[in-house]
Amino acid sequence: GAGVSQSPSNKVTEKGKDVELRCDPISGHTALYWYRQSLGQGLEFLIYFQGNSAPDKSGLPSDRFSAERTGGSVSTLTIQRTQQEDSAVYLCASSLMGGFPETQYFGPGTRLLVL
Amino acid sequence: DAKTTQPTSMDCAEGRAANLPCNHSTISGNEYVYWYRQIHSQGPQYIIHGLKNNETNEMASLIITEDRKSSTLILPHATLRDTAVYYCIVRSPRSNDYKLSFGAGTTVTVRA
Repeated sequence: GAGVSQSPSNKVTEKGKDVELRCDPISGHTALYWYRQSLGQGLEFLIYFQGNSAPDKSGLPSDRFSAERTGGSVSTLTIQRTQQEDSAVYLCASSLMGGFPETQYFGPGTRLLVL
Repeated sequence: DAKTTQPTSMDCAEGRAANLPCNHSTISGNEYVYWYRQIHSQGPQYIIHGLKNNETNEMASLIITEDRKSSTLILPHATLRDTAVYYCIVRSPRSNDYKLSFGAGTTVTVRA
């Protein structure tokens, strides 16, 4: 079946502009995660959605970052007033119910470059 | 969560078994060992996980020592497509342990 999809695959933007990154989870998965991976760095958790529960936003690095999940499916990560340090690969993952020990299935990522 | 230690890199011949070691000497009794991999320009991919017993699936086998302080991921017949960074992590069955975190991992290069 179809896996997690993300768009765009690559995004180049100028410092100060806003960007929106989209994630389509696996159909039927109620849990959705956003991570980012900077060059040479490990995986950094950003935000977690599970069903109708309040999202865990504890990983968002600043108030310029926000995310929403509409209809319990598609999610959008928005970065306002982008900075060069926001350049990274933004990864989305989904799992069936959320929590441990579920397997998280990752999308291919969106490569963001802020000039 | 317990910290893991992996070799920085290793080479493997195509068609041969690849044995990837991981040390997790501070692992707690209820913590699981997980393996993921990340092929260049792709998202991480789940491989296998285990608690105490050895595990096998269609991708790999996981051998965990009796004292659980180390484990080995075995790719039985490595192919060029197995070239990737392999991450060994320890996960605790806490309700909020959904935040995956990878270290540097082992860069595995499979050579023809």
